[in-house]
Amino acid sequence: DTAVSQTPKYLVTQMGNDKSIKCEQNLGHDTMYWYKQDSKKFLKIMFSYNNKELIINETVPNRFSPKSPDKAHLNLHINSLELGDSAVYFCASSQQGMGGYTFGSGTRLTVV
Amino acid sequence: SQQGEEDPQALSIQEGENATMNCSYKTSINNLQWYRQNSGRGLVHLILIRSNEREKHSGRLRVTLDTSKKSSSLLITASRAADTASYFCATGDNDYKLSFGAGTTVTVRA
Repeated sequence: DTAVSQTPKYLVTQMGNDKSIKCEQNLGHDTMYWYKQDSKKFLKIMFSYNNKELIINETVPNRFSPKSPDKAHLNLHINSLELGDSAVYFCASSQQGMGGYTFGSGTRLTVV
Repeated sequence: SQQGEEDPQALSIQEGENATMNCSYKTSINNLQWYRQNSGRGLVHLILIRSNEREKHSGRLRVTLDTSKKSSSLLITASRAADTASYFCATGDNDYKLSFGAGTTVTVRA
């Protein structure tokens, strides 16, 4: 069983389109995150949610809207995609006070 | 902004040798974590060291933390080809955010 699963794995789309990435964790963790990894492998946090509540929004453009229907799911919707949005997006989860994050395998987004 | 910075950026060693990489950070932390990322995959948590700890071991991994110098090191002993990956340090200054460095790319030659 995959602990943190995100879909799709690859996403190629044209500029201006709207797309969504889904993430689900079956670990019973109370906190979920979205990270963006650029072409130089630098990872930057975008959002963190604790028990469905937004805790961190790290100066991400309004075109990015996360949604957490329950604490096992955290989806990411992106409007009006731009070339600079091309990156690998990682979902992760953790249990507060317990230690490390569990990452999904990533979604490689390419905007053409 | 980026919190941790790893050094070196890249490391190439022979199988069986030890690999050491360092991480420096800027502000006070609650804990420091190390992660491994194989090419095209997600990050895997390796070890967490809290700010009141100085050294931790897990299998062939040894992590040290010096809060006075704001630095940490990761040692991989008796490296194997499967250790080829990028290694990231990440600092936790609160419960809801980890800040990652740019990583050290380790290549283990057979």
